[in-house]
Amino acid sequence: DAGITQSPRHKVTETGTPVTLRCHQTENHRYMYWYRQDPGHGLRLIHYSYGVKDTDKGEVSDGYSVSRSKTEDFLLTLESATSSQTSVYFCAISPREGRDSPLHFGNGTRLTVT
Amino acid sequence: KQEVTQIPAALSVPEGENLVLNCSFTDSAIYNLQWFRQDPGKGLTSLLLIQSSQREQTSGRLNASLDKSSGRSTLYIAASQPGDSATYLCAVHSGNTPLVFGKGTRLSVIA
Repeated sequence: DAGITQSPRHKVTETGTPVTLRCHQTENHRYMYWYRQDPGHGLRLIHYSYGVKDTDKGEVSDGYSVSRSKTEDFLLTLESATSSQTSVYFCAISPREGRDSPLHFGNGTRLTVT
Repeated sequence: KQEVTQIPAALSVPEGENLVLNCSFTDSAIYNLQWFRQDPGKGLTSLLLIQSSQREQTSGRLNASLDKSSGRSTLYIAASQPGDSATYLCAVHSGNTPLVFGKGTRLSVIA
């Protein structure tokens, strides 16, 4: 799994509560990404990071924020969880900008918002 | 906006058959195209990466081709095995955005 750990692996939470998902890598890769995967939509990019404290929005960033205070950790926060955020969340890393570098994925976090 | 389409959505073949999975994209100004495999309940595993200047890449029984001008890529799997059963996704890197994914083809190889 290319040294990527996502935590928790499963979480059930109530609507309106904040939730933080963690991605930890041991590869010292510069680029980190958060995707969500939903039936009928495939994988969609939420946010990504190209270095410590350097982040940018993806296709579906509304309702999410991220932080990267260390190279190895990329946190995804749902500020006030909604049922539409029930999904499987994947973290990915790459050593270089994606033009010449494959992405390596973690095993995902399954989030259920009730 | 780049859009990636994979056809068919699902495919079932008998063991030993050679098969082709298709991927098309709308914007031909790409940097690379990647093929991934996803097993149930797991993350994605990178299979092959084709740069825009390349026509194909091979790894074992897998061969991926790229026709950038027509916006198409194919993943050829030779002598399929039950262990090849998984969902296969293609993704395209273009412009200033990270990878855009297709919705995948779910492959079942029947023993």
